[in-house]
Amino acid sequence: GQQLNQSPQSMFIQEGEDVSMNCTSSSIFNTWLWYKQDPGEGPVLLIALYKAGELTSNGRLTAQFGITRKDSFLNISASIPSDVGIYFCAGRHSGTYKYIFGTGTRLKVLA
Amino acid sequence: KAGVTQTPRYLIKTRGQQVTLSCSPISGHRSVSWYQQTPGQGLQFLFEYFSETQRNKGNFPGRFSGRQFSNSRSEMNVSTLELGDSALYLCASSGLEGNNEQFFGPGTRLTVL
Repeated sequence: GQQLNQSPQSMFIQEGEDVSMNCTSSSIFNTWLWYKQDPGEGPVLLIALYKAGELTSNGRLTAQFGITRKDSFLNISASIPSDVGIYFCAGRHSGTYKYIFGTGTRLKVLA
Repeated sequence: KAGVTQTPRYLIKTRGQQVTLSCSPISGHRSVSWYQQTPGQGLQFLFEYFSETQRNKGNFPGRFSGRQFSNSRSEMNVSTLELGDSALYLCASSGLEGNNEQFFGPGTRLTVL
């Protein structure tokens, strides 16, 4: 099935560092969502984006809807151990009700 | 407001059997989507239901089917189970017309022996 390119695939960072990850598509989306998934649980919605160029924050998390509408970015500032998990992006084309998911970024935080 | 609930949380079946999974969406949500998640393939879209009608379908064989009831609860069924069907099955609900954000349940972990 179709998936979005998400990078990096995994990363180790020190507690307190900032983290950046991104998601790219070959086609235009009109909605981007970012999720975090802990082991054995369902993904939890972090941020939703609906307009090109939109920048939205949720606590230490900030996400942006790329101006080309083919990419999105997620930043986590001052990472803490509970940020550990897998982060997924998801995009939706205009006129559809189906989301396509990224391959995931596995984040590990070293205390 | 209660979140999306899925039952059962864990299931073990043998090859050739069939299985039915259940999902109750967030109250007021009418769209329910199902996904299969495996380590190798990530999150793969199975199908989406809105007002008891299947609106979208992914690229899965006919052994995978679903339905939605008038109270928006949804079930998915997998017949003639194969080893490769072992996965975490997730459902997600959306409000309004289903064209906004999706909220996931905890998933059902299916193991096929």
